[in-house]
Amino acid sequence: DIQMTQSPSTLSASVGDRVTITCRASHSISSWLAWYQQKPGRAPKLLIYEASRLESGVPSRFSGSGSGAKFTLTISSLQPDDFATYYCQQYNSYGGTFGQGTKVDIK
Amino acid sequence: EVQLVESGGGLVQPGRSLRLSCEASGFTFDDYAIHWVRQAPGKGLEWVSGIIWNSGTRGYADSVNGRFTISRDNTKNSLYLQMSSLRPEDTALYYCVKGGSVAAGTTDYFDYWGQGTLVTVSS
Repeated sequence: DIQMTQSPSTLSASVGDRVTITCRASHSISSWLAWYQQKPGRAPKLLIYEASRLESGVPSRFSGSGSGAKFTLTISSLQPDDFATYYCQQYNSYGGTFGQGTKVDIK
Repeated sequence: EVQLVESGGGLVQPGRSLRLSCEASGFTFDDYAIHWVRQAPGKGLEWVSGIIWNSGTRGYADSVNGRFTISRDNTKNSLYLQMSSLRPEDTALYYCVKGGSVAAGTTDYFDYWGQGTLVTVSS
């Protein structure tokens, strides 16, 4: 099984900050990686797929990069609506596995 | 507008069974694999099971393999999860989710999620 490890687990930031979340896979997954945003009491929302493709309707301040085993999600200028938990997911191998999540809260 | 509406959750005793349903609308249902993903209270996300467009391939997480059965009825735009031999560790919010790629297998990203149905396994 491929394990996904996100860092940090929690991130405190201010509106306007540039924020970067890292996701590492235990084996290479090519570019088969997605990022999701989840707010309390809500279902996750797809932000990025295939490591860097922005889902339709997602603000351009979100971007993804990486390939192989190391990936990053960047929010170029954090907005009040962005305080949430973010998950990466690999879909290279059977079923797909998620990272443990990164909570972005207000500094 | 894509919608996925789950139902069937509830409180059930360990060892008993429960059947979840998901009704989909707003897209061509039989073009896509559909999945169940769960989230235990306060925890992260876990893929549970998926089924391709024509039911030809079904996949299960190791944690539920042999106890859960996924199925779909394309004439009703519906997905099901028959859960047997339930354990306390199956307690979670179960989401019905749509695969993002046309005619994909049981490994894919997920572009639309329902609001979930809560399953609580407790005596």
